[in-house]
Amino acid sequence: KAGVTQTPRYLIKTRGQQVTLSCSPISGHRSVSWYQQTPGQGLQFLFEYFSETQRNKGNFPGRFSGRQFSNSRSEMNVSTLELGDSALYLCASSLTPGQGYEKLFFGSGTQLSVL
Amino acid sequence: AQRVTQPEKLLSVFKGAPVELKCNYSYSGSPELFWYVQYSRQRLQLLLRHISRESIKGFTADLNKGETSFHLKKPFAQEEDSAMYYCALLSSGNTGKLIFGQGTTLQVKP
Repeated sequence: KAGVTQTPRYLIKTRGQQVTLSCSPISGHRSVSWYQQTPGQGLQFLFEYFSETQRNKGNFPGRFSGRQFSNSRSEMNVSTLELGDSALYLCASSLTPGQGYEKLFFGSGTQLSVL
Repeated sequence: AQRVTQPEKLLSVFKGAPVELKCNYSYSGSPELFWYVQYSRQRLQLLLRHISRESIKGFTADLNKGETSFHLKKPFAQEEDSAMYYCALLSSGNTGKLIFGQGTTLQVKP
């Protein structure tokens, strides 16, 4: 079974641009969540989607948005990029959300560099 | 507020020595806690969950509600245990949101 796939692996953008990151969950998984990983802040929750609905959102500005499609694939978008948005963006999938016994499976991430 | 604290950024031990990675949490109610591990150039992956009381790769973690701790332990460290370890708390409210600690890098020296 293929794991969580994130594309692209690396991105270089300049300030003010926008970016879209993609995540394909494990087949059969319907819940997708996104995390930002930085050396200073560690792993921080961005948002969670289930059945095309955003169930939860972290403390990030409105420039960060996302969506989930009917095939459970998810995208996140960051508009008006700032230098501080440089980070590894991780996607994780699970069968359903909110169940403690469910494992989260993480992708390899998209490394975003904002210049 | 729900919070996870890992007080050590780096823990360095010799092979064969005992290891304890500390994790403290802040949560009202019964927490669901996890340890995740990220080996060099690999994905973040689940190591163990307190709810299943399992031992993976010789690691165990016991939930101590009195001390609000979930420390990760291994009696004899191996070089292949060198990695970044994250303690995580499942947020309340029937969500899949995990609250992570800052992580501890474990370095096992030969």
